[in-house]
Amino acid sequence: LAKTTQPISMDSYEGQEVNITCSHNNIATNDYITWYQQFPSQGPRFIIQGYKTKVTNEVASLFIPADRKSSTLSLPRVSLSDTAVYYCLVGDRAHTGNMLTFGGGTRLMVKP
Amino acid sequence: GAGVSQSPRYKVAKRGQDVALRCDPISGHVSLFWYQQALGQGPEFLTYFQNEAQLDKSGLPSDRFFAERPEGSVSTLKIQRTQQEDSAVYLCASSLARTGAAYEQYFGPGTRLTVT
Repeated sequence: LAKTTQPISMDSYEGQEVNITCSHNNIATNDYITWYQQFPSQGPRFIIQGYKTKVTNEVASLFIPADRKSSTLSLPRVSLSDTAVYYCLVGDRAHTGNMLTFGGGTRLMVKP
Repeated sequence: GAGVSQSPRYKVAKRGQDVALRCDPISGHVSLFWYQQALGQGPEFLTYFQNEAQLDKSGLPSDRFFAERPEGSVSTLKIQRTQQEDSAVYLCASSLARTGAAYEQYFGPGTRLTVT
């Protein structure tokens, strides 16, 4: 399983753009990169998923370089409500079972 | 629409007691996952069902943990003879996809188990 490494914590201020980078040096050809967000006392929530280049949705953008050994989650103009833990995961779509390993995540604190 | 629900939301058990945690996945979702989340840590995989079949139980920490999904919908995670190290949040997730945990998983709010 591809292991991911991401910063333990980050601080930001309201209105700023936040970029969280995740490294996954051993990513396999069939692996996708997925980000989840978790608020206290809630289960994780899917944010975005990508395979290569750039993916954008209404919540975030995901940048993946050509070698796919890292990825960057970009949150535009964060607000206090974006304070949460963000998890970067890699896994494939072809096999069943335990292909998601969450790790410790990045605790984002957004300050006023 | 209705999301994944779990009950109870909080459970306090005395050491040695048996507990049963329920998960109601989104209707029609084929895949169901159970995770254990210790305080300050990320979720850790416990077991996976595809419909009623338990295809992966490699994450269950001991034979005191047992999960079932007899009709391919509701699932129950049972912990026998609870120990203090079982204290954690137990999360259930479901997915429409038949294969591949990388497909979007929808998580419930979790059950916080405290063993005293």
